[in-house]
Amino acid sequence: GDKVKQSPSALSLQEGTNSALRCNFSIAATTVQWFLQNPRGSLINLFYLVPGTKENGRLKSAFDSKESYSTLHIRDAQLEDSGTYFCAAEEGQGGSAKLIFGEGTKLTVSS
Amino acid sequence: NAGVIQTPRHKVTGKGQEATLWCEPISGHSAVFWYRQTIVQGLEFLTYFRNQAPIDDSGMPKERFSAQMPNQSHSTLKIQSTQPQDSAVYLCASSLDGHTQYFGPGTRLLVL
Repeated sequence: GDKVKQSPSALSLQEGTNSALRCNFSIAATTVQWFLQNPRGSLINLFYLVPGTKENGRLKSAFDSKESYSTLHIRDAQLEDSGTYFCAAEEGQGGSAKLIFGEGTKLTVSS
Repeated sequence: NAGVIQTPRHKVTGKGQEATLWCEPISGHSAVFWYRQTIVQGLEFLTYFRNQAPIDDSGMPKERFSAQMPNQSHSTLKIQSTQPQDSAVYLCASSLDGHTQYFGPGTRLLVL
C-alpha cells in the first residue's frame, strides 16, 4: 500500500557501481527493517534500524523518523546483490511489532 | 542454527478443503509472526504471538483463518474452506527481541 513507498521500483546496475534505494513513510514509523528477497524467495534480514545509521560491509542504511524516510546504499554492487529489496516499518510507539512492507525494489546487477 | 522451519514447502488443495501450515521458530525466539505474499497485494501481515500468547491478529481474514501457538516450538495457520484467492506464499518469521524478524522459506499454497 501507500503507507510505505519504495523507489525506484526497479533498478539495473553494472558490477562495481553504487546506488541508493529509498523508502518514504506516510505513517509514524518508529523502526525500519530492510530485507533482500533472493531469487529462491528467501527473505534475508539486512538491517534493523531505530533512527540513525548502520553499516555492514558494502551496505549502509539510514533512517530519519522526523523526515519519514529511510535509505539503503549499495557500494560496489556484485552479481549476488541481485534480488528484490524490501523495507518495512513498525508503526507508532508501544504499538504492535507487525511490519508494514513497501512494494519492493527489484535490483538486477549485471557484469 | 537451522533458522525458521516451515512445512510443507508446497501445498495444493482443492477449493473448499482445509489447509494447515506449520512453523517452527528459531529456538529461543519468543515472538512468531505470520505474513502472506502475493503478486497483487505484496507482503501483508496476518497475526503474531509473543510467548505463545496472541498479540495482534488485525491482518487475519475474519472468516476461515485461524492461528495457534500451542507451545514455544511451533505455530500453525489453518485455513478452512480454502478459496482460489487464498493462493499465496505464507511466510513465518520469528524474533528474539520482538522486533528484528527472521523469515522462514515460506509455504506456497495453491488452491485449485
